Amino acid sequence: SQQGEEDPQALSIQEGENATMNCSYKTSINNLQWYRQNSGRGLVHLILIRSNEREKHSGRLRVTLDTSKKSSSLLITASRAADTASYFCATDEYNNNDMRFGAGTRLTVKP
Amino acid sequence: DTGVSQDPRHKITKRGQNVTFRCDPISEHNRLYWYRQTLGQGPEFLTYFQNEAQLEKSRLLSDRFSAERPKGSFSTLEIQRTEQGDSAMYLCASSKGPSTYEQYFGPGTRLTVT
Repeated sequence: SQQGEEDPQALSIQEGENATMNCSYKTSINNLQWYRQNSGRGLVHLILIRSNEREKHSGRLRVTLDTSKKSSSLLITASRAADTASYFCATDEYNNNDMRFGAGTRLTVKP
Repeated sequence: DTGVSQDPRHKITKRGQNVTFRCDPISEHNRLYWYRQTLGQGPEFLTYFQNEAQLEKSRLLSDRFSAERPKGSFSTLEIQRTEQGDSAMYLCASSKGPSTYEQYFGPGTRLTVT
C-alpha cells in the first residue's frame, strides 16, 4: 500500500518560477525522502529529511517537514525546463525497513 | 547512471509464461529492494534483501512471485504464470543500509504481458 499522497497531482509552470509540491502521510516516520523520476527512467534521490528536522536545503531545493501535520513540502526555486519530471515523496512508516512512495506530482516547466 | 543495472530493459511475454528479471546493485550496498510501478503511480514495495536474506515481502508478492539474492550480490525476480495484471515497470534499488540511507534505483524492466 502507498503511504504518501502528493499534491497537486500535476503542476505546470513557466521557467524561472518556483514550484511547490506537498506530501501528506499517515503514520509516524523516521525520515522522509524526495525522489525525481524522468519519464520512463528510474528514480533519483533528491533529499532526505529526518523526523527531528524541520527544514533542509540542497541547491535550488528546499524541503520542510511538519510531523504534527504529517506533511512535507518540496520547493524548487528558479525552475528550469530540465526540472520537468515526476516528484515522489517516500516515508519509512517508522519500521526502518522499506520505503512507501506516494503517487507523485507531475511537474512540467515550460521554456 | 546510478550504478544499479537491470536486465532486460523490456520484456514482452504471453500470458501464462514465466519471466525472470535480474538486478545488479552497487557492489558495496548490502540492501536490495524490488518495487513495481504502474503508469501514473509511485513505486510499490515488493520485497527487500539484507545481504542474501529476504527480510520482508509485501502482500502484493503473490505465490507466483519469487525473488532471490544468492551470495548477497545480484538478485533475480521471477514471475510464474504471468497475468495481464503483472504488466508494469519493475524497479530495483540498492542502499548501504536501512531507510535512513538513500536508495539508488536502476532503470527498471518494463514488462508487457499480452
